Amino acid sequence: AQSVTQLGSHVSVSEGALVLLRCNYSSSVPPYLFWYVQYPNQGLQLLLKYTTGATLVKGINGFEAEFKKSETSFHLTKPSAHMSDAAEYFCAVSEAKDWSGAGSYQLTFGKGTKLSVIP
Amino acid sequence: NAGVTQTPKFQVLKTGQSMTLQCAQDMNHEYMSWYRQDPGMGLRLIHYSVGAGITDQGEVPNGYNVSRSTTEDFPLRLLSAAPSQTSVYFCASRERRLLYYEQYFGPGTRLTVT
Repeated sequence: AQSVTQLGSHVSVSEGALVLLRCNYSSSVPPYLFWYVQYPNQGLQLLLKYTTGATLVKGINGFEAEFKKSETSFHLTKPSAHMSDAAEYFCAVSEAKDWSGAGSYQLTFGKGTKLSVIP
Repeated sequence: NAGVTQTPKFQVLKTGQSMTLQCAQDMNHEYMSWYRQDPGMGLRLIHYSVGAGITDQGEVPNGYNVSRSTTEDFPLRLLSAAPSQTSVYFCASRERRLLYYEQYFGPGTRLTVT
């Protein structure tokens, strides 16, 4: 089974500082990888995803992530943190599950990293 | 489009009671799923559906039932509520079963079982 490990359940950065949220995955096949953001009392919103092709993926709100196969990592970065970036961030990996031979792909989520931005 | 809607937003149940969490989407999405979110656990898949009349179990299905009679609706039923089912429940949908289609989440239902 595929799995996701997010290093650090809480990360604090100063406003204007680099944001780095770490995600490592395990997969026996080339994965699809995702980052989602959850603002307080809201549902999850897709930030960015990697499926195939370019390993540096750009998302919304200035975030980007790089797929590194050799390191089995998909870390999320943003050059300069804003107060509005304070939220919980979830890394997720695809997991193929056969259903009647058609295939049905599930997301396996990490446990989340809560980002605080200090003024 | 309203996207993915969930009702109710909040619910308090007593142990042993049953209830149905409603989920609807107006995007004609083929795939729908239910997750529960617990502190420090991330999101865990309860049940999913790849189309009307087709459902399957996820990672944590015990104590929950689902059905999919229409493309739009995917209700989650708690048969006999237990305190361990206190959680935030999210419904999600995507256009097709393949994952390069974006998955959209509803706003969640916060359930407390006493």
